[in-house]
Order: sequence, then structure tokens, then C-alpha cells
Amino acid sequence: ETGVTQSPTHLIKTRGQQVTLRCSSQSGHNTVSWYQQALGQGPQFIFQYYREEENGRGNFPPRFSGLQFPNYSSELNVNALELDDSALYLCASSKGQGARETQYFGPGTRLLVL
Amino acid sequence: DQQVKQNSPSLSVQEGRISILNCDYTNSMFDYFLWYKKYPAEGPTFLISISSIKDKNEDGRFTVFLNKSAKHLSLHIVPSQPGDSAVYFCAASSDLTSSWGKLQFGAGTQVVVTP
Repeated sequence: ETGVTQSPTHLIKTRGQQVTLRCSSQSGHNTVSWYQQALGQGPQFIFQYYREEENGRGNFPPRFSGLQFPNYSSELNVNALELDDSALYLCASSKGQGARETQYFGPGTRLLVL
Repeated sequence: DQQVKQNSPSLSVQEGRISILNCDYTNSMFDYFLWYKKYPAEGPTFLISISSIKDKNEDGRFTVFLNKSAKHLSLHIVPSQPGDSAVYFCAASSDLTSSWGKLQFGAGTQVVVTP
């Protein structure tokens, strides 16, 4: 139990729609990272937020965006959904932004785009 | 471009024996390496890490070895237990501020520990 929760657990959307996924970090963790895990692959870094500002981004288009709130919650928004967006989306919280800060993962939200 | 590779998608080992999981990386800027364990319907859980200034780190039954010249690391689990059956991910990161928080994961190795 990492203390990181995500909602919803599962979601089905159609191509072109928009989706918002939510994450609640561990108390005291000011950094949240989001990852996309496609079937049979390892998690891929989408972006990181530190103290409510985007702090780094992987190779994902601008239709992937996020927000972080002062109450340790955060959101991942995906616009204009494509079939390839079907994946498990993981958030991870940490005490800080450095490479050596352990990231604690939530259970993920499984998104299916039809 | 897969910078962290786990070439064995699966590993079966008998209970009590040693499990050895391997991981290779291509980016010489990586200086911190981690192993995560994942059960179905759960997120990855941190297991053990190693800094590039070390070549070995041990925590109970788990030992990680790093060979920088070969860009290779391995995780040893001794002795293997049924509860160790899970997917294991190797991950790497860099202290470059532009890479903070960005973990690069391998594709994972499914470990099955048999009685």
C-alpha cells in the first residue's frame, strides 16, 4: 500500500473524446509524475509536476496535459483521444523532484479507446 | 528508442533457488538504477536501487549488481519465494536536472516461482 490512489480504475471512451484521470498523492509529497504503460511494455514517462508547475515532459504531444493542486491531488487530461491511447495510466508521487527520490505508484487507471 | 532493455520476458524458478534478472542500458548519462516489482492490478512497488558509484547493493534477499563498463545490471533474489512471483521492471534515471523524475523503464520480466 503506497498511499497513492487513482480514479477511476477503468474507463472506456471513443476516439475523439476527452478524458480526465485523477490521482491523490501521499501526504507531504510535492511531486507527481505520470506514466503510460501499453500492453507488454514498461511505463513511459509523460510528465512531472512539482509544486503545481510542469517540471519535465517525455515524448508525448500537447494534447496530454496535467494539473497539480495544493491538496496533493493531480489530473491528467487527454484531448482528441486516439486508439493508441489505450493503456494503463500510472501516477507516482515523491517527496521531491530529484533522480534519487523514490517514486510511489498508484494502482493505475486502465483506459480503453474504441 | 528503447534505452533500457530487459531481454527476457519471462523466468521460471523453483522455490528456494536463485532468480537472476538482467537489464541492459544504452545511455551513458544514466547514473541511478532501480528495480520495481509489480503484481496484477497494483502499481509498481520500489524494490531496490543502486547509484553508479557503486557496483553492488544488498537488501535482505535482494542484491543488485551494476557493471558500468558493460552497461548492465542484474537483480539476484535468494532464496526465491512464491510471493516473489510478479513482473519486475528495471528503471534508470539521471541526475541531470532536465531528466529529474524521468524514469526510463524496461519492458519487464515475468517471474514465476514454482513449488
